[in-house]
Amino acid sequence: KAGVTQTPRYLIKTRGQQVTLSCSPISGHRSVSWYQQTPGQGLQFLFEYFSETQRNKGNFPGRFSGRQFSNSRSEMNVSTLELGDSALYLCASHGGSGGDTQYFGPGTRLTVL
Amino acid sequence: AQSVTQLDSHVSVSEGTPVLLRCNYSSSYSPSLFWYVQHPNKGLQLLLKYTSAATLVKGINGFEAEFKKSETSFHLTKPSAHMSDAAEYFCVVSTLGNEKLTFGTGTRLTIIP
Repeated sequence: KAGVTQTPRYLIKTRGQQVTLSCSPISGHRSVSWYQQTPGQGLQFLFEYFSETQRNKGNFPGRFSGRQFSNSRSEMNVSTLELGDSALYLCASHGGSGGDTQYFGPGTRLTVL
Repeated sequence: AQSVTQLDSHVSVSEGTPVLLRCNYSSSYSPSLFWYVQHPNKGLQLLLKYTSAATLVKGINGFEAEFKKSETSFHLTKPSAHMSDAAEYFCVVSTLGNEKLTFGTGTRLTIIP
Protein backbone atom coordinates (compact mmCIF):
# COMPACT_ATOMS: atom_id res chain seq x y z
CA LYS A 1 0.00 0.00 0.00
CA ALA A 2 1.16 3.50 -0.72
CA GLY A 3 1.89 5.60 2.33
CA VAL A 4 0.64 9.02 3.28
CA THR A 5 1.67 11.70 0.83
CA GLN A 6 1.91 15.41 1.46
CA THR A 7 2.38 18.20 -1.02
CA PRO A 8 4.25 20.39 -1.35
CA ARG A 9 7.23 19.25 0.70
CA TYR A 10 8.66 22.75 1.09
CA LEU A 11 7.04 26.14 0.94
CA ILE A 12 8.26 29.68 1.46
CA LYS A 13 5.73 32.45 2.03
CA THR A 14 5.75 35.98 3.36
CA ARG A 15 3.79 37.40 6.26
CA GLY A 16 0.18 38.11 5.47
CA GLN A 17 -0.10 35.56 2.68
CA GLN A 18 -2.18 32.43 2.88
CA VAL A 19 -1.15 28.85 2.19
CA THR A 20 -2.84 25.54 1.41
CA LEU A 21 -1.27 22.20 2.21
CA SER A 22 -2.50 18.86 0.91
CA CYS A 23 -2.53 15.36 2.36
CA SER A 24 -3.52 12.09 0.71
CA PRO A 25 -4.17 9.31 3.24
CA ILE A 26 -3.52 5.62 2.94
CA SER A 27 -6.12 3.92 0.78
CA GLY A 28 -9.09 2.89 2.91
CA HIS A 29 -8.36 5.27 5.77
CA ARG A 30 -11.20 7.66 6.48
CA SER A 31 -9.55 9.89 9.03
CA VAL A 32 -6.86 12.52 8.60
CA SER A 33 -5.27 14.42 11.45
CA TRP A 34 -2.96 17.43 11.20
CA TYR A 35 -0.13 18.33 13.55
CA GLN A 36 2.24 21.26 13.78
CA GLN A 37 5.83 20.67 14.85
CA THR A 38 8.04 23.53 16.03
CA PRO A 39 11.24 23.53 18.09
CA GLY A 40 9.60 25.54 20.84
CA GLN A 41 6.18 23.92 21.13
CA GLY A 42 6.93 20.41 19.91
CA LEU A 43 4.18 18.44 18.22
CA GLN A 44 0.72 19.91 18.62
CA PHE A 45 -2.60 18.65 17.36
CA LEU A 46 -4.39 20.95 14.93
CA PHE A 47 -7.55 19.09 13.91
CA GLU A 48 -8.94 15.79 12.71
CA TYR A 49 -11.32 15.07 9.87
CA PHE A 50 -13.40 11.95 9.55
CA SER A 51 -15.78 11.32 6.65
CA GLU A 52 -15.56 14.95 5.52
CA THR A 53 -16.43 16.33 8.99
CA GLN A 54 -14.15 17.98 11.49
CA ARG A 55 -14.35 15.71 14.49
CA ASN A 56 -11.70 17.12 16.81
CA LYS A 57 -9.96 20.45 17.05
CA GLY A 58 -6.87 21.62 18.90
CA ASN A 59 -6.15 25.03 20.40
CA PHE A 60 -5.18 26.99 17.34
CA PRO A 61 -6.63 30.30 16.10
CA GLY A 62 -9.28 30.43 13.43
CA ARG A 63 -6.64 31.29 10.83
CA PHE A 64 -5.99 27.57 10.70
CA SER A 65 -8.70 25.66 8.90
CA GLY A 66 -9.10 22.46 7.00
CA ARG A 67 -11.40 20.31 4.99
CA GLN A 68 -11.71 16.78 3.77
CA PHE A 69 -13.00 15.57 0.45
CA SER A 70 -15.13 12.54 -0.36
CA ASN A 71 -12.00 10.57 -1.34
CA SER A 72 -10.59 11.28 2.15
CA ARG A 73 -7.90 13.63 0.86
CA SER A 74 -7.52 16.60 3.14
CA GLU A 75 -6.28 20.15 2.86
CA MET A 76 -5.34 22.59 5.54
CA ASN A 77 -5.26 26.31 5.04
CA VAL A 78 -3.50 29.00 7.01
CA SER A 79 -4.56 32.57 6.32
CA THR A 80 -2.74 35.79 7.19
CA LEU A 81 0.53 34.02 7.84
CA GLU A 82 2.67 35.06 10.79
CA LEU A 83 6.36 34.40 11.38
CA GLY A 84 5.42 31.98 14.15
CA ASP A 85 3.58 29.77 11.69
CA SER A 86 6.93 28.56 10.36
CA ALA A 87 6.88 24.86 11.16
CA LEU A 88 6.77 21.32 9.88
CA TYR A 89 3.16 20.39 9.24
CA LEU A 90 2.48 16.70 9.47
CA CYS A 91 -0.61 14.82 8.52
CA ALA A 92 -1.53 11.37 9.68
CA SER A 93 -4.10 8.93 8.43
CA HIS A 94 -5.91 6.18 10.31
CA GLY A 95 -9.05 4.12 10.27
CA GLY A 96 -10.96 6.52 12.48
CA SER A 97 -11.20 4.86 15.88
CA GLY A 98 -9.47 6.11 19.00
CA GLY A 99 -6.38 4.02 19.67
CA ASP A 100 -5.86 3.32 15.98
CA THR A 101 -2.32 3.60 14.76
CA GLN A 102 -1.79 6.87 12.95
CA TYR A 103 0.54 6.76 9.96
CA PHE A 104 2.39 9.95 9.22
CA GLY A 105 3.39 11.58 5.99
CA PRO A 106 6.80 13.19 5.43
CA GLY A 107 5.48 16.64 6.26
CA THR A 108 5.43 20.04 4.62
CA ARG A 109 8.11 22.45 5.78
CA LEU A 110 6.60 25.96 5.79
CA THR A 111 8.88 28.96 6.15
CA VAL A 112 7.30 32.36 6.66
CA LEU A 113 9.54 35.36 5.93
CA ALA B 1 -7.13 14.14 30.26
CA GLN B 2 -4.02 12.45 28.96
CA SER B 3 -0.35 13.36 28.97
CA VAL B 4 3.09 11.86 28.62
CA THR B 5 6.37 12.88 30.17
CA GLN B 6 9.64 11.90 28.59
CA LEU B 7 12.13 12.00 31.39
CA ASP B 8 15.25 12.67 29.32
CA SER B 9 15.55 15.27 26.58
CA HIS B 10 18.87 13.81 25.40
CA VAL B 11 20.43 10.36 25.77
CA SER B 12 23.88 9.37 24.53
CA VAL B 13 25.06 5.77 24.35
CA SER B 14 27.96 4.01 22.73
CA GLU B 15 27.37 1.79 19.73
CA GLY B 16 26.66 -1.77 20.85
CA THR B 17 25.45 -0.80 24.34
CA PRO B 18 21.83 -0.91 25.59
CA VAL B 19 19.39 1.91 25.02
CA LEU B 20 16.79 3.04 27.57
CA LEU B 21 14.39 5.90 26.81
CA ARG B 22 11.99 6.66 29.63
CA CYS B 23 8.34 7.65 29.40
CA ASN B 24 5.64 8.11 32.02
CA TYR B 25 2.02 8.57 31.07
CA SER B 26 -1.17 9.88 32.59
CA SER B 27 -4.59 8.88 31.35
CA SER B 28 -8.08 8.79 32.77
CA TYR B 29 -8.92 5.69 30.76
CA SER B 30 -7.12 2.67 29.41
CA PRO B 31 -4.55 4.21 27.14
CA SER B 32 -3.06 3.24 23.84
CA LEU B 33 0.63 4.02 23.93
CA PHE B 34 3.02 4.42 21.05
CA TRP B 35 6.65 5.11 20.36
CA TYR B 36 7.46 6.97 17.16
CA VAL B 37 10.88 7.80 15.76
CA GLN B 38 11.80 10.80 13.64
CA HIS B 39 15.01 10.96 11.69
CA PRO B 40 16.29 14.40 10.65
CA ASN B 41 14.01 16.14 8.17
CA LYS B 42 11.70 13.16 8.01
CA GLY B 43 8.17 12.35 9.14
CA LEU B 44 7.30 10.10 12.07
CA GLN B 45 7.68 6.34 11.85
CA LEU B 46 5.86 3.99 14.21
CA LEU B 47 8.21 1.84 16.28
CA LEU B 48 5.65 0.00 18.38
CA LYS B 49 2.20 0.18 19.94
CA TYR B 50 0.58 -1.02 23.18
CA THR B 51 -3.17 -1.63 23.28
CA SER B 52 -3.82 -3.68 26.47
CA ALA B 53 -2.77 -7.06 25.10
CA ALA B 54 0.71 -8.23 26.14
CA THR B 55 2.51 -5.81 28.42
CA LEU B 56 5.82 -6.39 26.63
CA VAL B 57 5.57 -5.02 23.15
CA LYS B 58 8.07 -5.78 20.43
CA GLY B 59 8.62 -3.29 17.68
CA ILE B 60 10.74 -2.80 14.62
CA ASN B 61 14.53 -2.65 14.49
CA GLY B 62 14.98 -4.56 17.75
CA PHE B 63 13.13 -2.09 19.97
CA GLU B 64 10.70 -3.14 22.65
CA ALA B 65 8.74 -1.46 25.42
CA GLU B 66 7.12 -2.66 28.61
CA PHE B 67 3.81 -1.29 29.88
CA LYS B 68 3.81 -1.03 33.68
CA LYS B 69 0.47 0.13 34.97
CA SER B 70 1.60 0.34 38.60
CA GLU B 71 4.38 2.71 37.61
CA THR B 72 2.45 4.40 34.76
CA SER B 73 5.52 3.87 32.61
CA PHE B 74 6.19 2.77 29.06
CA HIS B 75 9.96 2.77 28.66
CA LEU B 76 11.61 1.96 25.34
CA THR B 77 14.63 -0.33 25.23
CA LYS B 78 17.01 -1.91 22.76
CA PRO B 79 19.75 -4.36 23.74
CA SER B 80 22.42 -3.04 21.39
CA ALA B 81 22.49 0.41 19.83
CA HIS B 82 23.34 0.92 16.18
CA MET B 83 24.52 4.11 14.53
CA SER B 84 21.31 4.20 12.49
CA ASP B 85 19.30 4.52 15.73
CA ALA B 86 20.39 8.14 16.12
CA ALA B 87 17.15 10.11 15.91
CA GLU B 88 14.42 11.77 17.99
CA TYR B 89 12.00 9.48 19.77
CA PHE B 90 8.49 10.41 20.84
CA CYS B 91 6.29 8.69 23.39
CA VAL B 92 2.61 9.17 22.50
CA VAL B 93 -0.72 8.44 24.18
CA SER B 94 -4.28 8.25 22.95
CA THR B 95 -7.46 6.82 24.38
CA LEU B 96 -10.50 5.10 22.94
CA GLY B 97 -12.89 7.76 21.81
CA ASN B 98 -10.15 10.37 21.68
CA GLU B 99 -8.48 10.33 18.33
CA LYS B 100 -6.08 13.10 19.20
CA LEU B 101 -2.52 11.95 19.84
CA THR B 102 -0.72 13.60 22.73
CA PHE B 103 3.04 13.69 22.26
CA GLY B 104 5.85 13.86 24.73
CA THR B 105 8.55 16.46 24.23
CA GLY B 106 10.88 13.96 22.61
CA THR B 107 14.23 12.35 23.47
CA ARG B 108 17.16 12.90 21.17
CA LEU B 109 19.26 9.74 20.99
CA THR B 110 22.92 10.12 20.08
CA ILE B 111 25.08 7.10 19.29
CA ILE B 112 28.79 7.39 20.02
CA PRO B 113 30.98 5.37 17.63
